Amino acid sequence: AAGVIQSPRHLIKEKRETATLKCYPIPRHDTVYWYQQGPGQDPQFLISFYEKMQSDKGSIPDRFSAQQFSDYHSELNMSSLELGDSALYFCASSPRDNEQFFGPGTRLTVL
Amino acid sequence: AQKVTQAQTEISVVEKEDVTLDCVYETRDTTYYLFWYKQPPSGELVFLIRRNSFDEQNEISGRYSWNFQKSTSSFNFTITASQVVDSAVYFCALSENDYKLSFGAGTTVTVRA
Repeated sequence: AAGVIQSPRHLIKEKRETATLKCYPIPRHDTVYWYQQGPGQDPQFLISFYEKMQSDKGSIPDRFSAQQFSDYHSELNMSSLELGDSALYFCASSPRDNEQFFGPGTRLTVL
Repeated sequence: AQKVTQAQTEISVVEKEDVTLDCVYETRDTTYYLFWYKQPPSGELVFLIRRNSFDEQNEISGRYSWNFQKSTSSFNFTITASQVVDSAVYFCALSENDYKLSFGAGTTVTVRA
């Protein structure tokens, strides 16, 4: 069965650079969630989209923005990267009935 | 405030021992969902179970079993006859009416051969 696809799987950036993470949800899933998991931490909700509209927002820095496109894929844009942004970024997709399926994650390292 | 509490930070057992992971949650919603996820060293989040607030039936899936008790706001997870491959971080999570997941801090399980 098709799963959630995230790209890239690994990303290394310098401080103050920008990064774009991509998420391709499972076909026919209309909701996408982004989570950030710092080293040794639990995943923290960043933002979600339902039918291409932002549906909820968590502790997402102003330097981050995200959107969901007409084909339902989503991109998380991160600017002015800081060392503390180094983390595993998960995307999850779901149909509206709430069962979230997680992608493999993108490991971002900021040097 | 933390909505999901996993009091055990780390548990270490020898193979074939049973291990129970505690999870206590807090919500004012009457409709909510509880989850358990496994995160092996490779990093992916593996879905184990979802339980809705109206279904208090315990569930068994192979060596895994879950005990949901609304009276104590707990959703505990037991691995029977543990194996080395069970070594991972296990997260309990809560989803309320807004659908996003609130995770507990996780319990690291180490199973020694």
